[in-house]
Amino acid sequence: KQEVTQIPAALSVPEGENLVLNCSFTDSAIYNLQWFRQDPGKGLTSLLLIQSSQREQTSGRLNASLDKSSGRSTLYIAASQPGDSATYLCAVMDDYKLSFGAGTTVTVRA
Amino acid sequence: DTGVSQDPRHKITKRGQNVTFRCDPISEHNRLYWYRQTLGQGPEFLTYFQNEAQLEKSRLLSDRFSAERPKGSFSTLEIQRTEQGDSAMYLCASSLLGVVDSPLHFGNGTRLTVT
Repeated sequence: KQEVTQIPAALSVPEGENLVLNCSFTDSAIYNLQWFRQDPGKGLTSLLLIQSSQREQTSGRLNASLDKSSGRSTLYIAASQPGDSATYLCAVMDDYKLSFGAGTTVTVRA
Repeated sequence: DTGVSQDPRHKITKRGQNVTFRCDPISEHNRLYWYRQTLGQGPEFLTYFQNEAQLEKSRLLSDRFSAERPKGSFSTLEIQRTEQGDSAMYLCASSLLGVVDSPLHFGNGTRLTVT
């Protein structure tokens, strides 16, 4: 059974600092890895999808890396803003479903 | 593309009552998923459909839970004889089978409170 772990569980940084969020998974036989953002009481918004054959994916201030052999992914958010405050979830896809970590809750202080 | 729509947004019910939730996926998406999320946890897989066929059910889905997707369009999730432990956010997601690495798109969820 796939186990996904996200560290740290919570993070508080001043505005402008770069964010580094970590994700690890136990079974490297994945099709892809997705990073999501969740605001309180809301659903999930897809941020980035990295295919199993890729090493990284970028979108604006967001960059995600994937090391499938070691079962790790990292999400970098450059020059953080208060609007980046949310919970960030990592999920890995096997042949048909996503398995999620518990998330990292980020607070960016103005 | 209007996104994944879920109804209702919130449901408060008394223990022992039945509840039903609805999910309307993105129109061309043929895969539909139900997840459950409790406070401070990531979503947990419940079940998924490919068109109208229910292909997988998690052990989390007890006999009190049933999901349908008639005609491969919208889906319903029914919980019979609700228990306090059923209180959670129920999330629906859809994706497009056949497109390599199609991401899952989630709705805003239905928050269930069982009193």
